[in-house]
Amino acid sequence: DSGVTQTPKHLITATGQRVTLRCSPRSGDLSVYWYQQSLDQGLQFLIQYYNGEERAKGNILERFSAQQFPDLHSELNLSSLELGDSALYFCASSVGASGEETQYFGPGTRLLVL
Amino acid sequence: QKEVEQDPGPLSVPEGAIVSLNCTYSNSAFQYFMWYRQYSRKGPELLMYTYSSGNKEDGRFTAQVDKSSKYISLFIRDSQPSDSATYLCASYTGRRALTFGSGTRLQVQP
Repeated sequence: DSGVTQTPKHLITATGQRVTLRCSPRSGDLSVYWYQQSLDQGLQFLIQYYNGEERAKGNILERFSAQQFPDLHSELNLSSLELGDSALYFCASSVGASGEETQYFGPGTRLLVL
Repeated sequence: QKEVEQDPGPLSVPEGAIVSLNCTYSNSAFQYFMWYRQYSRKGPELLMYTYSSGNKEDGRFTAQVDKSSKYISLFIRDSQPSDSATYLCASYTGRRALTFGSGTRLQVQP
């Protein structure tokens, strides 16, 4: 158990809908990272927050947004969902802001868009 | 072209074999290199970490980085069925974020 929790574990929804994925980092970790993992694209970095502020941005679509709250949990919002958004979404956390630090991954949220 | 390329496998070996997993990368700015292991239906977990070129050993695992050829390797000695997982290499420049390979699925047959 990495200490990172993600809810929900599974999510089934329809195209055009909006969903929110939630992540609680390990105790003491200030950075939260979001990744998307699909069969054809592998593990893709979406966005990083550090202590409430956006720190780095990857291949995140405009339909997706994230935030980190004062208690350091983070939410990833996916809107106008398309079939191609079906994937595993992972959250990871680390102590500091730097990308070379060990990232601890949560168990993931499996999203299926029908 | 992806910045980090990895053969997806699957790679199937008998128990006790030496396993060699490899990645190539194109970005010369990469300085940090990691190997993550991901079991089915789980999140990735950090296995090995190296900075710049050279070897690093941890038990049955050895990570090797050759910056001149932009080649990253992970060797697993005396492989066990419990090593069956997907192995992801990852690289970092020091500025943006981790870039992952697509992962190699390893199956160790008892």
